[in-house]
Amino acid sequence: DQQVKQNSPSLSVQEGRISILNCDYTNSMFDYFLWYKKYPAEGPTFLISISSIKDKNEDGRFTVFLNKSAKHLSLHIVPSQPGDSAVYFCAATHDPTGANSKLTFGKGITLSVRP
Amino acid sequence: KAGVTQTPRYLIKTRGQQVTLSCSPISGHRSVSWYQQTPGQGLQFLFEYFSETQRNKGNFPGRFSGRQFSNSRSEMNVSTLELGDSALYLCASSLGGWATDTQYFGPGTRLTVL
Repeated sequence: DQQVKQNSPSLSVQEGRISILNCDYTNSMFDYFLWYKKYPAEGPTFLISISSIKDKNEDGRFTVFLNKSAKHLSLHIVPSQPGDSAVYFCAATHDPTGANSKLTFGKGITLSVRP
Repeated sequence: KAGVTQTPRYLIKTRGQQVTLSCSPISGHRSVSWYQQTPGQGLQFLFEYFSETQRNKGNFPGRFSGRQFSNSRSEMNVSTLELGDSALYLCASSLGGWATDTQYFGPGTRLTVL
C-alpha cells in the first residue's frame, strides 16, 4: 500500500515558467513532509520541508504548500531552470523526532525543464 | 569536507548469494540510514543506525541486515539474494538523525541479481 503517492511520473516545463510537482498521502498521522531532488548517478539531496502546523514554506525559488484536509502537498519551482531537471521525491513521516519515526517516500517525479 | 561514500558502486551477484555493501558517512555524523530504490517502489527505508545501534527499521525481510562500527561506518548485508533485490542501495548520513539534521546521501551501490 503506497502511503505517499506521486501520481504523475514525469513533468516537462519551459524554462522560466512555474513547475508544480504534486504529492498525495493517505496516512493521516503524517505530520512532517520533505522534498528531495536526485540527479542521475548521485544520491538524493534535501530540498525543503514543511511541518503540518504550517501550510506554506518558502526557500528561494522553491515553495512547498500543504493542504492537510486534502492530504496533498505540492512543490512549486519559480522560475524553473534547466538545472532543475531531476527526479523529485516527496517523503512523509509522523512525529519526526520520535523513537520510531521513519521516512516514507513516493516513487518520484521526473522533471524536465526545456531551455 | 568529504561526502558520503559507498562501496562498491556496482555489483553483480547471482540468486542465493549474499552481499555486503559499505557506507562511510561524513566525518562527525553518527546517524546512517539505508534505502532501497527500485523503479516500481521508489525509495524505501531499510534501517537507521545511530552510535552502533539500530534505531529504526523498515518493512523488509530479515535477509536484510546491517551494522554500524564505532567509527560510524556502516555495512548492509543481504543474504540469499533474490531477483527482486536488484536495486540501487543508498545510504545517508546526518549528525543526529534525519529528523533533526539534514541528511546527506551517497551515490549508491547498484546491485544486479542474475
